[in-house]
Formats: sequence, C-alpha cells, structure tokens
Amino acid sequence: DTGVSQNPRHKITKRGQNVTFRCDPISEHNRLYWYRQTLGQGPEFLTYFQNEAQLEKSRLLSDRFSAERPKGSFSTLEIQRTEQGDSAMYLCASSFAGTGVKNEQFFGPGTRLTVL
Amino acid sequence: AQSVTQPDIHITVSEGASLELRCNYSYGATPYLFWYVQSPGQGLQLLLKYFSGDTLVQGIKGFEAEFKRSQSSFNLRKPSVHWSDAAEYFCAGPLGGYNKLIFGAGTRLAVHP
Repeated sequence: DTGVSQNPRHKITKRGQNVTFRCDPISEHNRLYWYRQTLGQGPEFLTYFQNEAQLEKSRLLSDRFSAERPKGSFSTLEIQRTEQGDSAMYLCASSFAGTGVKNEQFFGPGTRLTVL
Repeated sequence: AQSVTQPDIHITVSEGASLELRCNYSYGATPYLFWYVQSPGQGLQLLLKYFSGDTLVQGIKGFEAEFKRSQSSFNLRKPSVHWSDAAEYFCAGPLGGYNKLIFGAGTRLAVHP
C-alpha cells in the first residue's frame, strides 16, 4: 500500500457549481478524516468516519458540504453551490483506531480547490 | 479550551545552523502531540510523535522534539539544517478527545545557503 491517495489533485470550478473529491485511505485503516486548509493556516477538522459511520462533523461543515464513506473504504466529499470562500486545500487522513492503538493519522496529498 | 500555538510564523536559518521551532499546547490531560512537515502544494508528512514515556522523541530526517509539561511545550529541534528542510512545519494535538487533531498555524522555515 502506498498511502492515502486523493483525487483530483487540483480542481478549478466556477461559483455555484458542485464538486466532488475522493479519498482512498490506507487499506487497513478504519478511520478516515477530512480537513480543510486555507492559505497560511494549519488544517482544520471537518469530519471523520469510523468504518462507514460518520461520527462527528465540525461546525465548519455547512449544509452545502456532505461526506460519505459508503462501504467503509474510500470516501467522497461533495460541495454544492460552491462559493469563493470554499477555495482551499482539502486534506484526507486515515488511521487505525483500536484498543491500545494510538490514533496516528496519515495524510494524503490533498485536493486544491479554486472557485472562480 | 484545547489549543496549539506556534509563536513563530517565519524563521530563517543558515544551512548547517541549528534549529528550534516552538510549539505550546493547552490541554487538560496528558496530550499526545505531533510534528508534521508540509512542502509547497503537498500533504503533511509525520516527522515525530509523543504519546507518553520518554519526553525526548526522535523522528525522521534527523529531527527530535522534547515534551515539557511544566512549560506546556513540545519544541522541534535539529542540530544541523539542510537546504531541503525548507518547508512549513505544523505542531498538532488532540481536539475534543482523541479522535481528531487541532493544528497550530504553522512555522515557515527558510534556509539560506
């Protein structure tokens, strides 16, 4: 396994359009996270899944955002009716969480979204 | 409230010089803490982590960090910086439990030849 992968790496869209990003975690990892990183800032937590269950969503995740992890493997993050403020790097991370196992997160290369 | 603070936005060092990047955390219980590095346009790579035990932890690329509970700090160090170390460095800790991370704002490191 080569790590966490994300597609596409770059996305340019016009305001009002919908976009969808995909994340493929490390295969044995049961947790998957989405973060958003704006220019000059550290990543901010958006949401996370344990297997297929979405266990927590940040208040940053407005109603226009939806994330899924249908079979507990890959995940998608969709943004509807994009706004210029959505322009950011969207990072996916995965980890293996279990008894006695520390929750060390491994990050993918990110998807950079530009909304014109 | 849990927080991670990196007081230095930019640091410039000469190649071969020593480096220390500061990180302060605010957390009620014993935290676990991470340092990540990010090259331009790339994702985050884990440099090192502290969970418990020995307060001096070794990481990849010759980096180390020391956890100091009395100072609420987890500073990153390297004895001799290489030009390839130029990147942005993020300190991170637990947010709202141990299920997600909160990151500092990052320190951008420039290395002069």
